[in-house]
Amino acid sequence: GAVVSQHPSWVICKSGTSVKIECRSLDFQATTMFWYRQFPKQSLMLMATSNEGSKATYEQGVEKDKFLINHASLTLSTLTVTSAHPEDSSFYICSCGLGFGSGSRDTQYFGPGTRLTVL
Amino acid sequence: SQQGEEDPQALSIQEGENATMNCSYKTSINNLQWYRQNSGRGLVHLILIRSNEREKHSGRLRVTLDTSKKSSSLLITASRAADTASYFCATDAGTDSWGKLQFGSGTQVVVTP
Repeated sequence: GAVVSQHPSWVICKSGTSVKIECRSLDFQATTMFWYRQFPKQSLMLMATSNEGSKATYEQGVEKDKFLINHASLTLSTLTVTSAHPEDSSFYICSCGLGFGSGSRDTQYFGPGTRLTVL
Repeated sequence: SQQGEEDPQALSIQEGENATMNCSYKTSINNLQWYRQNSGRGLVHLILIRSNEREKHSGRLRVTLDTSKKSSSLLITASRAADTASYFCATDAGTDSWGKLQFGSGTQVVVTP
């Protein structure tokens, strides 16, 4: 199956700093990537859709100036948590799809996640 | 917001037993997917069932979909200790929302040897 990596696996930072998380599709090209966050013992919540070559689209309630997304190439999307605060501490997971729509596989491949702890 | 609810929230069984969990959702879907997540890890895709399908099998997994009731079930037969994980259903509404998965609340499964 397709492999998706995230870097770093975990990060601890001080309040007020910015943290960048990378999501890479290792053996395929992904025109669309998705970013989710997951609080402890809770489900995943979609944050935004990252499109290569265009602006990301954010879900309702997600601050686009807080969570900057850049889809620099067909294999890389980055999520930057700006001026992080303790309430931003969470597990951030990206996913990539091989293609969506009728006749396509519609399967998504998830990265291993990045655990962010803001002190 | 979450699309669906899963029940039970947690399930503890012994190896060899079957595990069944249910997922209910609220809006029309193009497909429904089941994922497994080990503690603190990413998600592993298990199975996808489309809205025009009623049942699907993959190894020890059996998924059903009832679009009239907006519900799905995942059955794991002959469970193993390695099946211990959280299981999530996720719906894809398709059209303008292709790929935007809405996850259920999850079922935590513990399989004891």
